[in-house]
Amino acid sequence: EDQVTQSPEALRLQEGESSSLNCSYTVSGLRGLFWYRQDPGKGPEFLFTLYSAGEEKEKERLKATLTKKESFLHITAPKPEDSATYLCAVQTSGTYKYIFGTGTRLKVLA
Amino acid sequence: EPEVTQTPSHQVTQMGQEVILRCVPISNHLYFYWYRQILGQKVEFLVSFYNNEISEKSEIFDDQFSVERPDGSNFTLKIRSTKLEDSAMYFCASNLAGGPGDTQYFGPGTRLTVL
Repeated sequence: EDQVTQSPEALRLQEGESSSLNCSYTVSGLRGLFWYRQDPGKGPEFLFTLYSAGEEKEKERLKATLTKKESFLHITAPKPEDSATYLCAVQTSGTYKYIFGTGTRLKVLA
Repeated sequence: EPEVTQTPSHQVTQMGQEVILRCVPISNHLYFYWYRQILGQKVEFLVSFYNNEISEKSEIFDDQFSVERPDGSNFTLKIRSTKLEDSAMYFCASNLAGGPGDTQYFGPGTRLTVL
């Protein structure tokens, strides 16, 4: 069965303290891996799409990387406004649906 | 920047009543989706829709659910006889091509509360 696991469940950082969020997956043929940011009571906001192992994408303080078994979302020198839940989703061969992980709740303290 | 919109933002209904959740996908997108998120849980896929028919659905999407594209802009999710366990955030999403790895863009959600 296809599975997506995110860790840690929650993370508290001081402003400027860099860290990484993990998304590990077990799927039968990866079509794409997606990172989203979700603020409380809001819809997922698209961040990155990764397609193949070795691929990296960057946007401001965020960098996403992909291997054959996991993806990392690296946050460099985070600010309080980066506080949110970060969701990882995968799309597998032969399907349109996304399978989401449970997310990592990030809190950045000033 | 184009975005997916959803109405209403919050819907309260009595158990057994019918509700219709509405979505306006991004205008040139061709594939449409509904997901739901029960409080504190994962976002779960319900259904995908293309060319006026369902292309894929999950086990959650049983006979009480239906989807429709009533005109050129709206996409709706109908729940025929709501149950307490239908209380959740419902998200609409759309993408242009639906192909491998094509990014889905999500709306802000409708919070459904069933009393």
